[in-house]
Amino acid sequence: DAKTTQPTSMDCAEGRAANLPCNHSTISGNEYVYWYRQIHSQGPQYIIHGLKNNETNEMASLIITEDRKSSTLILPHATLRDTAVYYCIVRVNSGGSNYKLTFGKGTLLTVNP
Amino acid sequence: NAGVTQTPKFQVLKTGQSMTLQCAQDMNHEYMSWYRQDPGMGLRLIHYSVGAGITDQGEVPNGYNVSRSTTEDFPLRLLSAAPSQTSVYFCASRKSRDTPLHYGYTFGSGTRLTVV
Repeated sequence: DAKTTQPTSMDCAEGRAANLPCNHSTISGNEYVYWYRQIHSQGPQYIIHGLKNNETNEMASLIITEDRKSSTLILPHATLRDTAVYYCIVRVNSGGSNYKLTFGKGTLLTVNP
Repeated sequence: NAGVTQTPKFQVLKTGQSMTLQCAQDMNHEYMSWYRQDPGMGLRLIHYSVGAGITDQGEVPNGYNVSRSTTEDFPLRLLSAAPSQTSVYFCASRKSRDTPLHYGYTFGSGTRLTVV
């Protein structure tokens, strides 16, 4: 599985966009980029995923570079409730060993008032 | 539909004691797993099960046993607790091992275990 590199922590002002980067330079052609987040003391929550194209849902946007070696999760208008650890994970969509999902250290995003 | 239920929420053990962390799901999910989370370490997979009667080790299985006698339950046993097992434990389930990841996992609310 491709390894990912994320900053340990980031700050963001409430109401501003939060841009969380992730490097995955060894990503394979059939691997997706997934983002989860974990709010304090809760289990991780799925946010968004993508393969090549940029994706948007009600929670966030995902921008994947053309060479797919990095991506950025964008929370367009961060709120205090978005303070959490954000995990970037690169895995195949199904089958393979993706059921042995492991979460790395992630990025602690702190949204400040 | 309660999702994934973990009990207890908090537990303090003495070194050498044994206990079982309970995990139950009512979604008819085939796949269940246990994670531990330590400060600054992310979530690490302890054991997992792809169906009743089938279990396998994750990346940090030592000191833990599991069994899966029913689809609903996946208990985690600590045979002889050690301070290094102080952690927050999460149970998670998915429909099956081949369910696409974007359908996500359903996580329990966690068990905070302290071994003194």
